[in-house]
Amino acid sequence: TQLLEQSPQFLSIQEGENLTVYCNSSSVFSSLQWYRQEPGEGPVLLVTVVTGGEVKKLKRLTFQFGDARKDSSLHITAAQPGDTGLYLCAGFNAGNNRKLIWGLGTSLAVNP
Amino acid sequence: NAGVMQNPRHLVRRRGQEARLRCSPMKGHSHVYWYRQLPEEGLKFMVYLQKENIIDESGMPKERFSAEFPKEGPSILRIQQVVRGDSAAYFCASSPLVQGKGTEAFFGQGTRLTVV
Repeated sequence: TQLLEQSPQFLSIQEGENLTVYCNSSSVFSSLQWYRQEPGEGPVLLVTVVTGGEVKKLKRLTFQFGDARKDSSLHITAAQPGDTGLYLCAGFNAGNNRKLIWGLGTSLAVNP
Repeated sequence: NAGVMQNPRHLVRRRGQEARLRCSPMKGHSHVYWYRQLPEEGLKFMVYLQKENIIDESGMPKERFSAEFPKEGPSILRIQQVVRGDSAAYFCASSPLVQGKGTEAFFGQGTRLTVV
């Protein structure tokens, strides 16, 4: 059972476009993290959201945590080729032995 | 403060040999996670350890795979009698004691195991 569902699985867009990717669950998470992974590298932490309804911005990236702490979204404005990578969400589900739970990721390709 | 260090970065083993993957967590981190990633796929949880204790090994294959995190030294993921299907990238992450809502895990750069 995949506790964190990410959508879309694949996304290919042109430079300059906006996009939103989603991370959804039926479970409540105490926090959610977003990571970006580039080919051949380990995932790099982008942001952690903790409070329901929280919005965090990281340059052109906007992260939102759902009010019920069951879902999160990542919006990228004016995407650039450097944004290409696998975007992963992960969270600590306090009811699950504090194991970090992962989505399968959204693979984003931004074409010049 | 050094990040999570994994070595080796690349490991080639013949079928039947043993593979040992090492992970040194960030300073002050007492918890280690191991993940496996196949090409074009997401991260698959293997095992979650704290020093001298396996907390959750529900993702570990029942045979040939073992993990430890001793009081001193790095965490080791050991794969005995490797087969071609073990070829993958293995990532280690570390976190401090999970307390409160904002605990974060940080990753190493991975070990890419190739079984020939």
